[in-house]
Amino acid sequence: GQQVQQSPASLVLQEGENAELQCNFSTSLNSMQWFYQRPGGSLVSLFYNPSGTKHSGRLTSTTVIKERRSSLHISSSQTTDSGTYLCALELEGNNAPRFGAGTKLSVKP
Amino acid sequence: NSKVIQTPRYLVKGQGQKAKMRCIPEKGHPVVFWYQQNKNNEFKFLINFQNQEVLQQIDMTEKRFSAECPSNSPCSLEIQSSEAGDSALYLCAGLDTEVFFGKGTRLTVV
Repeated sequence: GQQVQQSPASLVLQEGENAELQCNFSTSLNSMQWFYQRPGGSLVSLFYNPSGTKHSGRLTSTTVIKERRSSLHISSSQTTDSGTYLCALELEGNNAPRFGAGTKLSVKP
Repeated sequence: NSKVIQTPRYLVKGQGQKAKMRCIPEKGHPVVFWYQQNKNNEFKFLINFQNQEVLQQIDMTEKRFSAECPSNSPCSLEIQSSEAGDSALYLCAGLDTEVFFGKGTRLTVV
């Protein structure tokens, strides 16, 4: 079965609204990483978050390993936040990180 | 700025042609991964290297692709005979503690 599940698959917001993106996983892992993928394809690392809560500007990531979930909170969304948000599990050893299918976010002005 | 440099950004090939793309990982990234991302945004792991040695690869890569990651030279991924289904974004990533991606090579097979 799928090891990494992201929800929602897509989300439409009005500018200024908040968003909560979820990543659930079914396997033990070393760490969790959140990426933002621009419409052109470039992947930008947002958070490397093995556990706990991290903040970066309007973004907050919380990973709870024992509950096998991680979340990404976007506050006061802006149109430039539009794009795809991906979570990736980093497994033990040097196995390839496993990606979720992503959440496609669209923020309307 | 990306720590992982991929070239070319765009590549157009005819069916049956070879398609080669390169990746220069950040120094100090001992592990390098190649992924294929299709038009549905799904990631498919292709191959990974640790210090120039292949760690894992999928069957497709073993049969139709050639890849290497020599010391002091760019890593490369080459499709020996391109097929229409190979059209995708090819992403290279380096692993230190966390994963860093290049900007990708978008291959179109016409």
